[in-house]
Amino acid sequence: DTGVSQDPRHKITKRGQNVTFRCDPISEHNRLYWYRQTLGQGPEFLTYFQNEAQLEKSRLLSDRFSAERPKGSFSTLEIQRTEQGDSAMYLCASSIADPYNEQFFGPGTRLTVL
Amino acid sequence: QKEVEQNSGPLSVPEGAIASLNCTYSDRGSQSFFWYRQYSGKSPELIMFIYSNGDKEDGRFTAQLNKASQYVSLLIRDSQPSDSATYLCAVSRAGNFNKFYFGSGTKLNVKP
Repeated sequence: DTGVSQDPRHKITKRGQNVTFRCDPISEHNRLYWYRQTLGQGPEFLTYFQNEAQLEKSRLLSDRFSAERPKGSFSTLEIQRTEQGDSAMYLCASSIADPYNEQFFGPGTRLTVL
Repeated sequence: QKEVEQNSGPLSVPEGAIASLNCTYSDRGSQSFFWYRQYSGKSPELIMFIYSNGDKEDGRFTAQLNKASQYVSLLIRDSQPSDSATYLCAVSRAGNFNKFYFGSGTKLNVKP
């Protein structure tokens, strides 16, 4: 399978715990994006990387959220001190650096905070 | 005002009919426009994109863009029950084409 992969697919945690998600983009894609989607809404942009550089962060990404892409390949998204409001689907997408910027999504990680 | 607006639906069409899905956007400087399909519990799947005024066809799908009216639509010809899903419109702005703004999606039901 050469698509975007995400791990884990589901995560249940207790409020206050830290969680980390991983995304592996399509191999030739140098741009990587994180989005969050709640029920009945479209995905909301969180952050994006070009290679290893994090170029933009949304105001949605509070200090409890951190994302990395250390070698320009896979990326991790960490949420510290989780809150019930963090429950959502976390989506990763990747694209090549061209003017059209077609973004292809992975299967997502569904987070439930109890 | 939301960046991207879509009627939440559901839009119900009979099998074989044309389904018409609409999207409006608020930023006149928006540059590229994308349609995604999302089945329940799954992630969005890219259908097609358009960036010039007019029509763009890909198989049973046609995207239509009218920048003057800030309006983009997706037509699905010969609708099939397997087309039943939520259709998301996404828009990127000139100067920041990496950040997509998504609508909330329109739910389409194709009845056999």
